[in-house]
Amino acid sequence: DVKVTQSSRYLVKRTGEKVFLECVQDMDHENMFWYRQDPGLGLRLIYFSYDVKMKEKGDIPEGYSVSREKKERFSLILESASTNQTSMYLCASSSLSSYNEQFFGPGTRLTVL
Amino acid sequence: GQQVMQIPQYQHVQEGEDFTTYCNSSTTLSNIQWYKQRPGGHPVFLIQLVKSGEVKKQKRLTFQFGEAKKNSSLHITATQTTDVGTYFCAGPMTTDSWGKFQFGAGTQVVVTP
Repeated sequence: DVKVTQSSRYLVKRTGEKVFLECVQDMDHENMFWYRQDPGLGLRLIYFSYDVKMKEKGDIPEGYSVSREKKERFSLILESASTNQTSMYLCASSSLSSYNEQFFGPGTRLTVL
Repeated sequence: GQQVMQIPQYQHVQEGEDFTTYCNSSTTLSNIQWYKQRPGGHPVFLIQLVKSGEVKKQKRLTFQFGEAKKNSSLHITATQTTDVGTYFCAGPMTTDSWGKFQFGAGTQVVVTP
């Protein structure tokens, strides 16, 4: 059974803290994604990685960075958390085939106080 | 840049009724995907459409890709309470996107028994 796991379901942090969100997939997928989901805005792509150590900015990369040191793991980093980064964060992975269905993790609901 | 728009944003349906949700792109798409997110859950892939005018059915769900490949629709017949959730469409960001997709804001479906 394919699986994408995220390190936390719920996280509460304070303004200015450095926050790490971890995502692991067990499907040997090349592509990994970080999205944030806000009511009425759908899923917005923060960063995308198509290979180890490779990354591309998505629509809303400001205030975020990512790390992909191993194929199965993709980390999202909030260098200095702010209240407007309170959101649901979803990780996903997909293969490089033309039928690149995305598999999503359960999400991390981050609250920044 | 490319935009993927979904209408309506909310859909209240009486159990047993039919409804349709629409997805429109500002650019021609090579393919389009649909996902369903149950309340409290994460998006789950439903289907991918590739050919112009393509129609695919999954039980009570009918998916259609427009002739110009700039729009798509999801029609649900005899709605059931299990259809509750948010339905997202997603189109590739560019023709050589390596798997990056632009998601619409979603249609949130509420079913009244």
